[in-house]
Amino acid sequence: AQTVTQSQPEMSVQEAETVTLSCTYDTSENNYYLFWYKQPPSRQMILVIRQEAYKQQNATENRFSVNFQKAAKSFSLKISDSQLGDTAMYFCAFMTYNNFNKFYFGSGTKLNVKP
Amino acid sequence: NAGVTQTPKFRVLKTGQSMTLLCAQDMNHEYMYWYRQDPGMGLRLIHYSVGEGTTAKGEVPDGYNVSRLKKQNFLLGLESAAPSQTSVYFCASSFAGVKVEQFFGPGTRLTVL
Repeated sequence: AQTVTQSQPEMSVQEAETVTLSCTYDTSENNYYLFWYKQPPSRQMILVIRQEAYKQQNATENRFSVNFQKAAKSFSLKISDSQLGDTAMYFCAFMTYNNFNKFYFGSGTKLNVKP
Repeated sequence: NAGVTQTPKFRVLKTGQSMTLLCAQDMNHEYMYWYRQDPGMGLRLIHYSVGEGTTAKGEVPDGYNVSRLKKQNFLLGLESAAPSQTSVYFCASSFAGVKVEQFFGPGTRLTVL
């Protein structure tokens, strides 16, 4: 069974500072993808970043980067230069190959960016 | 392109009533999914479809039925609504194969009294 754990229900960060959101997962599969989705108050799910497990290089997308530790089954999201628009729920998600692209989501971390 | 749309956006039901939620996508995606989102629990997969005329159960299928008569539409039905089905429902779709991102609809907030 695939499980995804986000141990931080809520976090706060000052505008312009850096924050890291944690995610761990459990799987016996070797080939998989990991994702971070953002859900602002509008409820729309927005893809932030994705990581393919076979790639050792950590993914980056502008101010967003990940620290992927495959052996530790850890996939944290770092947000640099936090902006007020980053205030949202953030979900970590996991998907194995050849399983109809089914996602397994963590319970989410609510991030508050303070002015 | 409209992407993934959901109808309705809000609905209030009484216990025992039935309803159908409609999901439509215009991206020619093969795969479609229905999730429910509850506080503190993230999104959980209810049912999914890998093609027209096919459906399969996800993690929490009890109390729901689905149909995919056309490739672009995926319907979620509640035959006899219960208060435990109060939730926000999301539809998503994706290509088969290597283009693996799921695209989500805006959600439907359902309250069962």
